[in-house]
Formats: sequence, C-alpha cells, structure tokens
Amino acid sequence: GDSVTQKQGQVTLSEDDFLFINCTYSTTTYPTLLWYVQYPGQGPQLLLKVTTANNKGISRGFEATYDKGTTSFHLQKASVQESDSAVYFCALVGYNYAQGLTFGLGTRVSVFP
Amino acid sequence: ETAVFQTPNYHVTQVGNEVSFNCKQTLGHDTMYWYKQDSKKLLKIMFSYNNKQLIVNETVPRRFSPQSSDKAHLNLRIKSVEPEDSAVYLCASSHRGPQDTQYFGPGTRLLVL
Repeated sequence: GDSVTQKQGQVTLSEDDFLFINCTYSTTTYPTLLWYVQYPGQGPQLLLKVTTANNKGISRGFEATYDKGTTSFHLQKASVQESDSAVYFCALVGYNYAQGLTFGLGTRVSVFP
Repeated sequence: ETAVFQTPNYHVTQVGNEVSFNCKQTLGHDTMYWYKQDSKKLLKIMFSYNNKQLIVNETVPRRFSPQSSDKAHLNLRIKSVEPEDSAVYLCASSHRGPQDTQYFGPGTRLLVL
C-alpha cells in the first residue's frame, strides 16, 4: 500500500530563517502529494497540493515540489514568521476510499522572534 | 472559516463506557471521513462514507462504528472504550472522493481513564 516517510520531527528556527521539510513516498499509482498544516486546537488544513512532478505549488509564501526520480517531495519557505509555528504534515492521496489520505508523522516547526 | 463541526471538544470517560461523537459538514460534500490522531500526532484513516456506502479501514477495532443520518452528518460511536482509544478524533469531508481536498473539523479529544 501507499506510504509516506517524514523524518524531521521538530525544526526550530528564528524569524526570517529558511524552512525546508522533506518527505519520501511510495505508491503504485500516479501520486498526488499534499502538505497540510495544523495549528494548536485545530484540525489540519490544506496548504499545498502538487499533482505534477517538478511543478511548483505556491501558497502563502510556501513552495512545494516533488521529484519522481527520488520519490521525494518537499516544502520550503524563504523567510518564516512566528505565525508559521505549527505542525506540518506531508500526505499522499489514496485512490480508493479505504485509504483516504496517508499522512507522514508531521514536523513541528517552532519559530522564535 | 469552519465548515466541519464536531462536538464535543473534549470528553473524559472510563474504560468500558460507550461514547458518541458528532460531526456535521455544511459544505454539501458527498464523502465524509473519520481519522484518529494519536499522542504522537500520527493521523490514520478509520472510515470513509459516501452515498450510504461505508468503507472501513481493516485495522479499526469492531467496537468503533460510524453512524450517518444523511450525507451532512457522520457520527462515531465507540461501544466499550479502552485506554488505547485516548486520542483526538478528526472528522473530514470532501466533495466526491479522497482525491478532492479534504476539510477537517477541529477534532474531539477523548481521554479514557
């Protein structure tokens, strides 16, 4: 079945630092890869969706791309702010209802002023 | 803007009790889901429900059962809770299937003593 590996459990940054989070994936279907962000006390919300390899998804200053050759996808932001502190999940879309979304373990990003 | 509503926010109960959580979406979506988020933030699909068809993830214990009165509501019942059921239960919906953006509610946190 589908799987997603997200190894960075925690990232601590200062404001204006560069953020980079990486995931790897495994699937037998053509992948649609997602980044969700979860703020304290809230459910995850979609940040970016990437459906085509090497194409860039952009939202709220975040960029996401995926590389089919290395089966990896990443999220980056050039200059983080304290308000970007949250948990970021990479996810893979399942193409049947039983799979739903396959999530990575999440990366807790803490940004300090 | 919240369009997936969950009640209660928080529930404390004892081992062996029955609990029920409510979920309502006002997005007009056809598919609803329940996910479990454990203490390490890992998110896993439990159920998908579309057009009166229920899809169950094979790892879900039988004491869990979803209940739907219409396509806008998908409740979750746990017949006899166990300590490992302590988690946050997240409801989500999407327009048609899992390849459409899933919108999450804020979650119900369950603590089993």
